[in-house]
Amino acid sequence: EDKVVQSPLSLVVHEGDTVTLNCSYEVTNFRSLLWYKQEKKAPTFLFMLTSSGIEKKSGRLSSILDKKELFSILNITATQTGDSAVYLCAVCGNNRKLIWGLGTSLAVNP
Amino acid sequence: GAVVSQHPSWVICKSGTSVKIECRSLDFQATTMFWYRQFPKQSLMLMATSNEGSKATYEQGVEKDKFLINHASLTLSTLTVTSAHPEDSSFYICSARPLGTPDTQYFGPGTRLTVL
Repeated sequence: EDKVVQSPLSLVVHEGDTVTLNCSYEVTNFRSLLWYKQEKKAPTFLFMLTSSGIEKKSGRLSSILDKKELFSILNITATQTGDSAVYLCAVCGNNRKLIWGLGTSLAVNP
Repeated sequence: GAVVSQHPSWVICKSGTSVKIECRSLDFQATTMFWYRQFPKQSLMLMATSNEGSKATYEQGVEKDKFLINHASLTLSTLTVTSAHPEDSSFYICSARPLGTPDTQYFGPGTRLTVL
């Protein structure tokens, strides 16, 4: 059965800290892995990764995929209180549906 | 770019009534839209995949006669919750997949449904 596992489930840090969120997967016919940020409403798109070893970067956020070891990490440097959210990882399989992890709840304290 | 709207953002209705939720892709065309349901502190649960001009594909356990989906154009899909009951109360979220980007889904802001 296809599955996506995120860790940790929750994390509390102080402003300025760097965090690493993990996403491992077992999905038949992997196509891509996506990261989303969900605050109070619906998820907002962060990154889509399809190739191993190529870092995607957007400001203080970056992500990389390892298709051999079947995982991805999302890094956030110099965290701010506005980074507090649930970060969701999803994997797209051959049927083009997204298989979702449970998310990592990040709280950044001032 | 890639903005998806949902209307209404929240709705309260009486048990037994029907509620229609609209999902629109504002600045792109989407042959495929998805409808999700999310319970508090849980991940997204896919309800159905909606393809423009054809019948929706429902996930196992989702009643197609209760959750009617119509995808009449490349920018609009609707979800109608028929004969709503309190257990249908939830956060309903749609997403749209732009033409030419086979995997990425962009989400609407969601609709909070409360059935009394």
